[in-house]
Amino acid sequence: GAGVSQSPSNKVTEKGKDVELRCDPISGHTALYWYRQSLGQGLEFLIYFQGNSAPDKSGLPSDRFSAERTGGSVSTLTIQRTQQEDSAVYLCASSLMTDSYEQYFGPGTRLTVT
Amino acid sequence: AQRVTQPEKLLSVFKGAPVELKCNYSYSGSPELFWYVQYSRQRLQLLLRHISRESIKGFTADLNKGETSFHLKKPFAQEEDSAMYYCALRRHQGGKLIFGQGTELSVKP
Repeated sequence: GAGVSQSPSNKVTEKGKDVELRCDPISGHTALYWYRQSLGQGLEFLIYFQGNSAPDKSGLPSDRFSAERTGGSVSTLTIQRTQQEDSAVYLCASSLMTDSYEQYFGPGTRLTVT
Repeated sequence: AQRVTQPEKLLSVFKGAPVELKCNYSYSGSPELFWYVQYSRQRLQLLLRHISRESIKGFTADLNKGETSFHLKKPFAQEEDSAMYYCALRRHQGGKLIFGQGTELSVKP
């Protein structure tokens, strides 16, 4: 079946603009995770959803970052007033349930802020 | 604090040589430990987890609670093992993964 998909695959934006990144999890997966992969910082957790609620937002780096999930499926990560340090690959992952051992990752969205 | 440390950014070995990718962790409790792998131009994927105690693609990893380590080992490296390897932990109840910085393994012919 289809895996986790993310769009766009690449996004170039100017500093100060807002961006939206989309994640489509595997059908039926209730848990959804956002991570960020950047040079020097490795892979960092941002936020995760169980259904439509976000029990853990502890990784969001600032209030410019927000995320929502609707219908227990698609999730959108929004970055407002982008800064150059936001440049990274944003990865989405999903798992059947929160305590399922395997997280399935999407291909990522490469964000470049100029 | 929860932390995963992979001391080597790059590990280069010749084909057929043994390989060990180091991973140390700090966690106040009993975490679950994982190794994830990312081959060139592919997605990050699970390689193995400590609970299963299985060998995947010839790789094994043993959880050493005394040394708080979870090193990944393979007795004879192959060129197709070249990839980025991430050690990760999470609490038993599930949720987020905490990753190490990653080690790039390069296996030369």
